[in-house]
Amino acid sequence: AQSVAQPEDQVNVAEGNPLTVKCTYSVSGNPYLFWYVQYPNRGLQFLLKYITGDNLVKGSYGFEAEFNKSQTSFHLKKPSALVSDSALYFCAVRDLGGATNKLIFGTGTLLAVQP
Amino acid sequence: GAVVSQHPSWVICKSGTSVKIECRSLDFQATTMFWYRQFPKQSLMLMATSNEGSKATYEQGVEKDKFLINHASLTLSTLTVTSAHPEDSSFYICSASPVTGPSSYNSPLHFGNGTRLTVT
Repeated sequence: AQSVAQPEDQVNVAEGNPLTVKCTYSVSGNPYLFWYVQYPNRGLQFLLKYITGDNLVKGSYGFEAEFNKSQTSFHLKKPSALVSDSALYFCAVRDLGGATNKLIFGTGTLLAVQP
Repeated sequence: GAVVSQHPSWVICKSGTSVKIECRSLDFQATTMFWYRQFPKQSLMLMATSNEGSKATYEQGVEKDKFLINHASLTLSTLTVTSAHPEDSSFYICSASPVTGPSSYNSPLHFGNGTRLTVT
């Protein structure tokens, strides 16, 4: 079965510093990976995805993610964090095993950016 | 584009009553919609997959008779929490994609803003 793991419950970073939110995956076959952000009491917003091609994927709000097949990782990154980036971040993988192609989410990482 | 609207955004109900949550795709048709449940400080747990014109597919452990799903049109799915109890209090989120078939593998899901249900 497909799965993703987010080893950090929370990441703290100072504004202006680079940030990394970690995600590792376990899939059979090719991975279809996604990152989403959730602000308090809101739904999820799509940030970026990796399907195939370049290992460095650029997404919304200046975020990017690096796909590393050998390490089975898909870490989310941003060169310079903003206080407004503080939110809950979810890594997800498409489950291709069933008929519905549902998304399987990680446990989420709370990003706190201090001014 | 690809906007998903969820209503209501929050609801408080008494134990034993039923609550209906609506999920609409505003600018696309969705043959499939997904219902998730999120507990505080936890991840999203898929409850069921809503299929237009047919029965929903429930995940293991989700009570079909308690969480009734109806997907009567290509733009509307509803989740009804029947005989709600305090343990049903949670954040419910729906999602959908305008893409169907194999192309949906690499298409992101679009999410509603969620419904905060509080059962007293």
